[in-house]
Amino acid sequence: GAGVSQSPSNKVTEKGKDVELRCDPISGHTALYWYRQRLGQGLEFLIYFQGNSAPDKSGLPSDRFSAERTGESVSTLTIQRTQQEDSAVYLCASSSRLAGLYNEQFFGPGTRLTVL
Amino acid sequence: AQSVTQLGSHVSVSEGALVLLRCNYSSSVPPYLFWYVQYPNQGLQLLLKYTSAATLVKGINGFEAEFKKSETSFHLTKPSAHMSDAAEYFCAVTKSNTGNQFYFGTGTSLTVIP
Repeated sequence: GAGVSQSPSNKVTEKGKDVELRCDPISGHTALYWYRQRLGQGLEFLIYFQGNSAPDKSGLPSDRFSAERTGESVSTLTIQRTQQEDSAVYLCASSSRLAGLYNEQFFGPGTRLTVL
Repeated sequence: AQSVTQLGSHVSVSEGALVLLRCNYSSSVPPYLFWYVQYPNQGLQLLLKYTSAATLVKGINGFEAEFKKSETSFHLTKPSAHMSDAAEYFCAVTKSNTGNQFYFGTGTSLTVIP
């Protein structure tokens, strides 16, 4: 597709269940980012991928959160044993690398996660 | 460390009035600065960016922002608000030498009153 896509668009789950959120970046974009946006708050950086490796995982809030990327394309963010405080919109973005510097990020529409 | 502060979580202006959304940053290295807009039920899209070229940056939809190093500011303006400008606006900063991690402000919700 032409833009970043994310699935599902909405996810309602029960506390303690595991969830997987998917991101399909723009084709050819080597960098991929995950953010969390809680209601009424700004974007919270979670993790960044350069190709298939993740040089910066500093934003992952706990060991319940993990992410992987394969084929320099699709990325999956997994949240294990979900808690109510995990409820948020999870945004994915991708960017290309030009002259050694990353260009602006292109965002997907997000996945709205609700933990009951 | 890099960070961004957006003053005013909610701003209301009348249609046709000046729009001013404030952003102040802190950065240990020369920054790259961005403004993103998020329309209702849509993803974030880039409005404009500063990457150490001209200090006055023009973006889409008539918006512009001026980088003022002495004030560590990158305020977003538009001379005349339109109803379609109602959205959430985010300021972001990244390191100029790597650009690999972005720091976003908490956002400003713009309401345009007819």
